[in-house]
Amino acid sequence: NAGVTQTPKFQVLKTGQSMTLQCAQDMNHNSMYWYRQDPGMGLRLIYYSASEGTTDKGEVPNGYNVSRLNKREFSLRLESAAPSQTSVYFCASSHPSGQESEKLFFGSGTQLSVL
Amino acid sequence: GESVGLHLPTLSVQEGDNSIINCAYSNSASDYFIWYKQESGKGPQFIIDIRSNMDKRQGQRVTVLLNKTVKHLSLQIAATQPGDSAVYFCAEKRMSGYNKLIFGAGTRLAVHP
Repeated sequence: NAGVTQTPKFQVLKTGQSMTLQCAQDMNHNSMYWYRQDPGMGLRLIYYSASEGTTDKGEVPNGYNVSRLNKREFSLRLESAAPSQTSVYFCASSHPSGQESEKLFFGSGTQLSVL
Repeated sequence: GESVGLHLPTLSVQEGDNSIINCAYSNSASDYFIWYKQESGKGPQFIIDIRSNMDKRQGQRVTVLLNKTVKHLSLQIAATQPGDSAVYFCAEKRMSGYNKLIFGAGTRLAVHP
């Protein structure tokens, strides 16, 4: 099992460019998430998808859009990148329900720099 | 402990010693707490979790203690090894309609031989 797979691992953009971060999980999880991590700060939730077909805003959604393509895949799009979006982005997924549903499984991250 | 800003608090320990990493949480209604370990260049990995109806939970070489009176959480690592060097995050689950974890800023653990 690969778990949660993110692509790309690194990306450099110019201000105003667009790009899509891809995420896929093979654990049959219903819920998927996108977080950003900035130096010296904890992970902050950008968007999440509780189940296929639904998406909701997290703490810091401005400047981002998401698509839950199917149960496995959840993408994050930056339509017009800004230097403030320089960060490390993590995708995560969680179990369908029950006692294990709080535990998040993370991908290895995408390091994005916006110049 | 918790910190905001650019500089993470660092705990330096000798190999073989026990480590205690502390975390203060803010919401007395939080009902679930979790510790993650993040090694350089990797995503966070689950270590151990605890629900608010418990005071203590033990795993392999790790123990989490929860003090709801003072809203304090700690992670104890026994016989710390070089491979334990990482940033450790605590997270609390606020009472809300979805699985929403609020993460602390993290503490860096440096293990010296």
